[in-house]
Amino acid sequence: NAGVTQTPKFQVLKTGQSMTLQCAQDMNHNSMYWYRQDPGMGLRLIYYSASEGTTDKGEVPNGYNVSRLNKREFSLRLESAAPSQTSVYFCASRTSVADTQYFGPGTRLTVL
Amino acid sequence: EDQVTQSPEALRLQEGESSSLNCSYTVSGLRGLFWYRQDPGKGPEFLFTLYSAGEEKEKERLKATLTKKESFLHITAPKPEDSATYLCAVQAGGQNFVFGPGTRLSVLP
Repeated sequence: NAGVTQTPKFQVLKTGQSMTLQCAQDMNHNSMYWYRQDPGMGLRLIYYSASEGTTDKGEVPNGYNVSRLNKREFSLRLESAAPSQTSVYFCASRTSVADTQYFGPGTRLTVL
Repeated sequence: EDQVTQSPEALRLQEGESSSLNCSYTVSGLRGLFWYRQDPGKGPEFLFTLYSAGEEKEKERLKATLTKKESFLHITAPKPEDSATYLCAVQAGGQNFVFGPGTRLSVLP
């Protein structure tokens, strides 16, 4: 039981490049989330998926797209990376019967 | 607008020196308040959920309390292994979770 896993752990991109961050959970949770964490700021919600087949925007969705591939997997795509997207990205999942979110280990992304 | 603030920003304690961390929130219709622990380079780890004013939860040296406007995380006789960043979050409704910036705790031996 690995919980929430994320790949890659680290990534360096040049401005304008694209990439996809992968997230998977093995807890059979319905809801999944993508957050970014910047120094001095709280975690900010980018996108979420309340259930398989649905996705919705969070607080800071501009510049990102998501795909809920199946119940286990939720990916985050940067189509044209910008230096402002340098951050640590966390994926989380939650059951429909409790409010607790379980987080992955994070992806540290640097955009030059 | 839903908002969460935490104080102090950083706290240094000697081993055994008890203290409290504060989480103040402004939210329309609190559904739940959460405390997480985050170690450097890792994802947040769930500690407690509080749902109503007056509720308290305990785990080892940690005790979380909730009022209508704030929550406290009390740390009794801390040890160096309690050093981490402690995050507070509120759920206003649905999928809307708002996190505070965290309190960075250092416990010196």
